[in-house]
Amino acid sequence: SQKIEQNSEALNIQEGKTATLTCNYTNYSPAYLQWYRQDPGRGPVFLLLIRENEKEKRKERLKVTFDTTLKQSLFHITASQPADSATYLCGTERGGFKTIFGAGTRLFVKA
Amino acid sequence: DTAVSQTPKYLVTQMGNDKSIKCEQNLGHDTMYWYKQDSKKFLKIMFSYNNKELIINETVPNRFSPKSPDKAHLNLHINSLELGDSAVYFCASSQEPGTTSGGYTFGSGTRLTVV
Repeated sequence: SQKIEQNSEALNIQEGKTATLTCNYTNYSPAYLQWYRQDPGRGPVFLLLIRENEKEKRKERLKVTFDTTLKQSLFHITASQPADSATYLCGTERGGFKTIFGAGTRLFVKA
Repeated sequence: DTAVSQTPKYLVTQMGNDKSIKCEQNLGHDTMYWYKQDSKKFLKIMFSYNNKELIINETVPNRFSPKSPDKAHLNLHINSLELGDSAVYFCASSQEPGTTSGGYTFGSGTRLTVV
């Protein structure tokens, strides 16, 4: 069955640099991939959705790519700021209207 | 103003008790969900309702029973609570099932601790 794999290790970067987070899926190519941000003690907040026929999607400092050959989505935050520090979750459909999520990658941006 | 609101935010209870978590959304969405986030931070889908009709029922013990009195509300009742039920439970909503047009809107979560 479809599974989502995200790097469980935290990502530490310096303010101003570009953060790149990886999401790999294991089985069939999903119709879409979603990215969320989750802060401690809060619910996930939707950021971007990219469909299988889209190579790239942008929103302000955020960029998401979808590579069906590599079975991978990359999430980029350019000009990162300490306020970008959070856990970022990748989600995708598993058929039958079910969205499944990875465990998330914790991002720390140092000032 | 809160789009998806859950109550209570914290719930501490003893094993064997029965408890309920309530969820309401004011976004006019047709579909609502319950997710469980365990200690390893995995979000696992439990149930989904579309226009008050159950459309997703994952492999969840039948001690968990969702109820949707109308499409703006989805409550979760848990009978005979066990230690392993301790987790954060999130309610979410979307315009359509599985949502290909946008994401889910999540509530702030209910942290359930069974002692």
